[in-house]
Amino acid sequence: QKEVEQNSGPLSVPEGAIASLNCTYSDRGSQSFFWYRQYSGKSPELIMFIYSNGDKEDGRFTAQLNKASQYVSLLIRDSQPSDSATYLCAVNLWGNAGNMLTFGGGTRLMVKP
Amino acid sequence: DGGITQSPKYLFRKEGQNVTLSCEQNLNHDAMYWYRQDPGQGLRLIYYSQIVNDFQKGDIAEGYSVSREKKESFPLTVTSAQKNPTAFYLCASSPGRSSNQPQHFGDGTRLSIL
Repeated sequence: QKEVEQNSGPLSVPEGAIASLNCTYSDRGSQSFFWYRQYSGKSPELIMFIYSNGDKEDGRFTAQLNKASQYVSLLIRDSQPSDSATYLCAVNLWGNAGNMLTFGGGTRLMVKP
Repeated sequence: DGGITQSPKYLFRKEGQNVTLSCEQNLNHDAMYWYRQDPGQGLRLIYYSQIVNDFQKGDIAEGYSVSREKKESFPLTVTSAQKNPTAFYLCASSPGRSSNQPQHFGDGTRLSIL
């Protein structure tokens, strides 16, 4: 079965620390990977995407992709209380129609002042 | 401003009633999607449309129906056959069929049973 897996958390980190969020996926041929942030009661908003193996940095956020091991991660440096949210991993799994995404269940992050 | 507009924000359904959730986008996107989110859960795909006048069932289409008569609009009807409709409904769109294009979401509609 095609799947995207995330630890539901909560992941609790102190303010200023690095938060590391992980996601594994089932199909080795998957091409595109997205991270969304969802505040409680709100809709998801796109924060990062990555297509190639390695790291991609955008401000305090770094996405890391390892296709051989079938995982993608999101690092948040200098975590702030405003980063407290649920982070959803979404993958264009191999075999999906071109733009279809499969979402993980999300990891809840809590940043404590 | 370009974006995706969902209405209403809150909706209540009576027993045996069909209700329709609106989704409109002015981003000129070809593809549109409907997801359901239950508390503490991820997103599950109900229906999607990659082009006008065409749509496909997602993973949980039973009890729902859609139409795509205009590029900008993709309404979702929750029918009386959907016995557990209480959830957060999210509409999304993406530019086209490429796997590299992210989906962007509207603000959602929260549906409850009266």
